Amino acid sequence: GENVEQHPSTLSVQEGDSAVIKCTYSDSASNYFPWYKQELGKRPQLIIDIRSNVGEKKDQRIAVTLNKTAKHFSLHITETQPEDSAVYFCAASIAQAGTALIFGKGTTLSVSS
Amino acid sequence: GAVVSQHPSRVICKSGTSVKIECRSLDFQATTMFWYRQFPKQSLMLMATSNEGSKATYEQGVEKDKFLINHASLTLSTLTVTSAHPEDSSFYICSAREGISEKLFFGSGTQLSVL
Repeated sequence: GENVEQHPSTLSVQEGDSAVIKCTYSDSASNYFPWYKQELGKRPQLIIDIRSNVGEKKDQRIAVTLNKTAKHFSLHITETQPEDSAVYFCAASIAQAGTALIFGKGTTLSVSS
Repeated sequence: GAVVSQHPSRVICKSGTSVKIECRSLDFQATTMFWYRQFPKQSLMLMATSNEGSKATYEQGVEKDKFLINHASLTLSTLTVTSAHPEDSSFYICSAREGISEKLFFGSGTQLSVL
């Protein structure tokens, strides 16, 4: 089955700096890679996702890159703000109805002002 | 986006009792729902895949007799934690995909505390 590794486990940056979180996956059949942001005690919120036929996707300050050959993908947050502080999870799956997402262990991002 | 509703949001129970958690897709039909468990400061671990009208598929290490899943309709899946013990205390969260969309939508989660 799929295995997703995520690094780093914690990341501290100054407001305005960039933050990068990296993930690797094991199942070459996986073709859907979302990123979720989770605040304490709340449900994960989808912030950006990418499919395997695309190498990069950007949405304002957030971008995701995918290297399918190397089986790794990364989340990039630019111009970080204190409200970006949360736990971020990467995930991978085959994009079909009966297939669950497999999550990485999470990265706790702290943005200090 | 699609809305997934989960109840209750928080439950405290005595050891040995059973607790039922409901997960509903409010504006779409979900033939498959997924149940995850999350311990404090840890990741979401897939427990089982709930299939409408058939038996759930459990992940390795998850006791099917302990965590009973029923998916009786296209909009409702329930997870019952039977004979709960303190080690079952955790955040349980359900999720579903809308149709053929690859996006997974989550319920609000249930914080279970077993005394």
